[in-house]
Amino acid sequence: AQKVTQAQTEISVVEKEDVTLDCVYETRDTTYYLFWYKQPPSGELVFLIRRNSFDEQNEISGRYSWNFQKSTSSFNFTITASQVVDSAVYFCALSEAMTTDSWGKLQFGAGTQVVVTP
Amino acid sequence: DAGVIQSPRHEVTEMGQEVTLRCKPISGHNSLFWYRQTMMRGLELLIYFNNNVPIDDSGMPEDRFSAKMPNASFSTLKIQPSEPRDSAVYFCASSLRGNTEAFFGQGTRLTVV
Repeated sequence: AQKVTQAQTEISVVEKEDVTLDCVYETRDTTYYLFWYKQPPSGELVFLIRRNSFDEQNEISGRYSWNFQKSTSSFNFTITASQVVDSAVYFCALSEAMTTDSWGKLQFGAGTQVVVTP
Repeated sequence: DAGVIQSPRHEVTEMGQEVTLRCKPISGHNSLFWYRQTMMRGLELLIYFNNNVPIDDSGMPEDRFSAKMPNASFSTLKIQPSEPRDSAVYFCASSLRGNTEAFFGQGTRLTVV
């Protein structure tokens, strides 16, 4: 069974503060994929990043960075120097790999609401 | 690329009526997903298709829900008869293949009164 836990329901910060969103996952598969999505107030779901289970390198993209630690089954996301436009719900998701010609289901965590105030 | 296109964006219907939600995936994508989002249950996968074939419909709530993908560029999710508890935002998403990133449409907000 898959499970994605985002324990933080809501995080409020003041602009320019850093914010880290936690994501812990459970899977029995050795090959799997992890994702982060952003859902701004307008409601659409925006893809941010995808990592596979064999790539534990941390990644930085502008003000965003991700810390993948297989040993603790965590895939945390940090927004550096937050801005008001970062206010959104952020979802972590897990997909198990099947055969190369097959596919996986995206199982989402409950989401973390980030509120950035000026 | 226009992205995943869903219609209608909003739908208000009376209990018992049939509702059909439509989705046009990104051209060239082989996998298509239907999700439902509610406050209580979050984002739930209802069904997904690969190469137009339904692979897993275990998330479909009950027989009132059905989904089809007659070709690579079109899918429908039908609810018949609709009930107030079906009120939710329904998202369609597509990906190049399973386990690559899925791109979501803007969703259909369904209200059943």
